[in-house]
Amino acid sequence: DGGITQSPKYLFRKEGQNVTLSCEQNLNHDAMYWYRQDPGQGLRLIYYSQIVNDFQKGDIAEGYSVSREKKESFPLTVTSAQKNPTAFYLCASSIVGRANYGYTFGSGTRLTVV
Amino acid sequence: QQQVKQSPQSLIVQKGGISIINCAYENTAFDYFPWYQQFPGKGPALLIAIRPDVSEKKEGRFTISFNKSAKQFSLHIMDSQPGDSATYFCAATPRDSNYQLIWGAGTKLIIKP
Repeated sequence: DGGITQSPKYLFRKEGQNVTLSCEQNLNHDAMYWYRQDPGQGLRLIYYSQIVNDFQKGDIAEGYSVSREKKESFPLTVTSAQKNPTAFYLCASSIVGRANYGYTFGSGTRLTVV
Repeated sequence: QQQVKQSPQSLIVQKGGISIINCAYENTAFDYFPWYQQFPGKGPALLIAIRPDVSEKKEGRFTISFNKSAKQFSLHIMDSQPGDSATYFCAATPRDSNYQLIWGAGTKLIIKP
C-alpha cells in the first residue's frame, strides 16, 4: 500500500539536544511538507520541498532544518535553537506541488521535551 | 495576509443530527476548498473538496455548500454518527501557489450517542 511513514511515533528530547524525525513516502509525490500542530490548534507550515535538493522555509522555520536528498525522504531536525519543541509533527506530500490534488499525511510524531 | 476563519471551535451534536461547520475567507484568489478530517493521534485525511464554480458538492452524508459572493463555505454532516467524532479542518488553495494550503483553525466535533 502506498503512503507516508513517519517515525518514531513518540520521541523524547532532552534540553539542548537535536533530534531528527523521519518521513518516507512511496507515493511518487514530488512535493513534501512538514507541519507542526499544537494542542487544540491548527496546522503551521515549517518547511516544504517541491523537488529533490531544494526546499523552502514555511511560516515557523526557526529552530528547524530539513534535507531532501531523495524524492522519497524528507527528514526534519529539531535543533536546540527551537525553544518550545513539544508538539505533534506531521509530514505530508502532494502531486507535482499542487495542493488542489490533495495532501496525504503521515500518522505523525509526538515530540516531548523532558 | 490571506486567512481562513473557521467556526465553531468545538461542536457537540446528538447522534442522527446535522453537524454544520463554517469557514470564511478573505481573499478571492482561491481556487480549491478542501476539508480534512483528523482522528486523535493521526494525520488529517482529505474528506471532500469543492471548486468555486460549484455551489454544492455531496459525497454520502457529507456536503460542502459554497457561497462565492459571501466568501463562505460550510461542511454539513447529515445523520451524524459517533464515528464522525474528529477534528475537521477547512482549507483553501491560493490561485497563484503550487504548494500552499491556508488552513482554518479546526473544529472538534463530538457526536453523542
